[in-house]
Parts: sequence; C-alpha cells; structure tokens
Amino acid sequence: EVQLLESGGALVQPGGSLRLSCAASGFTFRNYAMSWVRQAPGKGLEWVSAITTGGSNTYYADSVRGRFTISRDNSKNTLYLQMNSLRAEDTAIYHCAKETTVAHITTTFDYWGQGTLVTVSS
Amino acid sequence: QSVLTQPPSVSAAPGQKVTISCSGSSSNIGNNYVSWYQQLPGTAPKLLIYENNKRPSGIPDRFSGSKSGTSATLGITGLQTGDEADFYCGTWDSSLSAGVFGGGTKLTVL
Repeated sequence: EVQLLESGGALVQPGGSLRLSCAASGFTFRNYAMSWVRQAPGKGLEWVSAITTGGSNTYYADSVRGRFTISRDNSKNTLYLQMNSLRAEDTAIYHCAKETTVAHITTTFDYWGQGTLVTVSS
Repeated sequence: QSVLTQPPSVSAAPGQKVTISCSGSSSNIGNNYVSWYQQLPGTAPKLLIYENNKRPSGIPDRFSGSKSGTSATLGITGLQTGDEADFYCGTWDSSLSAGVFGGGTKLTVL
C-alpha cells in the first residue's frame, strides 16, 4: 500500500524557516518524480514545487522560487521542502504528491499525503 | 488568480448530469495532459481523471473527461449526494515550467 506521510509543519514567525519531510512507502520511490502542493485555509490547490527522480532537476512556483528548496533522499525514501523567509501567505496545508508515470513530471498525482500544517504568524 | 479557469460552483439534482469546465492556454492545456481531482471536505485530493480522459482503477464510469484545444471538461452522470465536493483540474505549463491548477469548482447536489 502506497503511503505518504508528511511531517515538520509548525507555527513559525514571519521571516523564519522550516523543513518539511515526506516519508514514502509502498512503491519504488526512486522511480517517481514528486511534488509539493499546498492549500491555504479555505482556498484552492496551489502547486509549489517538483523534483525529478534523481533530484537533478527541480521546478518551483513563482510565489516560492528563491525561498523554498525541494530535495529528496532516495536512500531514505524521503522528500523534503526547505522553506526560508516565510511569509503569512505561505500559511497552508502542505501535501506531498506522487506522479503517476515513472520518471516523468506531468503534474498528475495518483497518491497524496494527508498534509502538514504550516502557520506563519507573529 | 489561477492560470486555469473553472466556474466557482455548479449544482444539479440527484440522478442528473453536470459538467465542469477548465479553460487554459496553448502552453498548458493545449499541449499537455489534463487531470481532474475530487476533494471531499477535510481530505486530500483524489485523482479522478488522468491523461485527459482516463480513469484510475476504482473510479466509476459516471466520471468522464475530455479535452478540446485549450479547454477540458469533467462530466459526472447519475449524481449522488456523496459526490458533493470540490473539483480541480491540473496540468503542466510548459512556458512557466510549473504545475498549474484551476481555482476549483464546488459541486452541490441539490
């Protein structure tokens, strides 16, 4: 059974940093691109970032480029999101999501984690 | 302001059919596959349609997808009260080199 379990969400002050983790199991993690998708309270889905299978290529939404860094450790089956210079508008539930297709980024996600809440407030 | 445009809400009676539109451009829908997600309150999104019109295992054939040019459509027939949810379209945008979602459509089954 595929499982994605996010952790690391917390209350943080504006300008602060946080690192999210997503522990994957039930599939060959190294074969799939992965993404982070967030959802602000009462709002829609927003794609945040994606990473290719080996981690050599990364992609970001304009709203987080230069502040967030996506990475992965295939030996630990874990996806990460390093979040710096956090703003109030970054407040959201952050989901990690698995691509459906081996080795490709298509923004088609067949499995999602339940998410971890990040709250940016003073 | 989302890159993909969806109606904020749609409604229909039980047993009826509803369609949800998703409008984009040549850099996203026009040249990439579209997927559709259903999000029930308090839960993670669930993949309903991928590659424009394919259903994952376990998704009933009441749900269908289509694409024409720079627009895509999700169709739901035989509406049930349990279908009430938020629906999102998504795709890759080749110009932005980023994933994009629609703003979401709330389905009400009256």
